[in-house]
Amino acid sequence: DQQVKQNSPSLSVQEGRISILNCDYTNSMFDYFLWYKKYPAEGPTFLISISSIKDKNEDGRFTVFLNKSAKHLSLHIVPSQPGDSAVYFCAASTTLGSARQLTFGSGTQLTVLP
Amino acid sequence: EAGVVQSPRYKIIEKKQPVAFWCNPISGHNTLYWYLQNLGQGPELLIRYENEEAVDDSQLPKDRFSAERLKGVDSTLKIQPAELGDSAVYLCASSPGAYNEQFFGPGTRLTVL
Repeated sequence: DQQVKQNSPSLSVQEGRISILNCDYTNSMFDYFLWYKKYPAEGPTFLISISSIKDKNEDGRFTVFLNKSAKHLSLHIVPSQPGDSAVYFCAASTTLGSARQLTFGSGTQLTVLP
Repeated sequence: EAGVVQSPRYKIIEKKQPVAFWCNPISGHNTLYWYLQNLGQGPELLIRYENEEAVDDSQLPKDRFSAERLKGVDSTLKIQPAELGDSAVYLCASSPGAYNEQFFGPGTRLTVL
């Protein structure tokens, strides 16, 4: 049973427009959410995160929104740039003892067209 | 600062053969993770180390998989014998502590024929 779902395997957006990547989760114990970006032949790199006590976190062109009642989060990229083309993974975290345990979604391939 | 280093980057073996992957975490990072990433899926945790101690190995298939982190720095993940279904990318990650951001290496892509 997938606890973190990214239902769109791919998304294409024109350069300069907004990219919106979506993620749904089922476990109400998740209290911290992250987005990772992955280029081919590289490992995932951390992009932005949000705590469950917030509903929005912004970092430059990247904004993450969290809707706890809907168990839904989204990543907005404005404006989108060709260099943003990558696979984006949503991850959700619970605290296990003194550690955070991450559960990843299956990823969304974003293609930004010039 | 150097990132997480993994080797080899690619490995092709025949089924039933053994294989080993090596990971060197970021200097000073006490927590080390091994993840498995199947095609079209996100990473799934196999094992987590705090220094040299494996504190979470519940997802590691112990009949054929083993891991070690003898001096609390480098780590090795081994599969013996490999099966066709083990073809995947094996990612290593490290963090200063288990509550901190994880930094991933580039992964080892394993193909079992």
